[in-house]
Amino acid sequence: KQEVTQIPAALSVPEGENLVLNCSFTDSAIYNLQWFRQDPGKGLTSLLLIQSSQREQTSGRLNASLDKSSGRSTLYIAASQPGDSATYLCAVGSGNTGKLIFGQGTTLQVKP
Amino acid sequence: SAVISQKPSRDICQRGTSLTIQCQVDSQVTMMFWYRQQPGQSLTLIATANQGSEATYESGFVIDKFPISRPNLTFSTLTVSNMSPEDSSIYLCSVEFMNTEAFFGQGTRLTVV
Repeated sequence: KQEVTQIPAALSVPEGENLVLNCSFTDSAIYNLQWFRQDPGKGLTSLLLIQSSQREQTSGRLNASLDKSSGRSTLYIAASQPGDSATYLCAVGSGNTGKLIFGQGTTLQVKP
Repeated sequence: SAVISQKPSRDICQRGTSLTIQCQVDSQVTMMFWYRQQPGQSLTLIATANQGSEATYESGFVIDKFPISRPNLTFSTLTVSNMSPEDSSIYLCSVEFMNTEAFFGQGTRLTVV
């Protein structure tokens, strides 16, 4: 059974810092991996999708990497801003069923 | 991409009653998904809803408690039946296009009192 773990559970950094969020999964036979952002009490916003054949994806200040063999993904946020404060969720797609298995999330606070 | 609208955005309900949540997508999709997010927790898949067939439920979720309708390729409903305070959660509708990105609605925040 696939399990997804995110470390750390919470993170507080000063504005301008670069930071890395970690996601690990137990079964390397994944279909894809997606990073989401969730603001308090809101739905999910898709940030980056990495297909199983890819190693990384970039969007603006965000870069996500995928290492299937080690069961890990990282989300790198450059030059963090207070507006980046949110919970970041990692989700693994196992097979082409469309089902996602989520980690517990990392709650990020960027202080001005 | 997809625009997903959920109604209601939030509700406070009495225990023992039922609430139906609507999910409308701006384009046709084969599969729609319903997730639950309990307070302080991550998302858990409730069921997959395909048009023209019964929903497929994940372990721990049953049709009598969470009946789902999927009348066409752009719409689905999830009913939370005979509610108890333990059902207080955010319920989210999701779709996936062509085995690519998953998109979520803004969620329905349910409080059962």
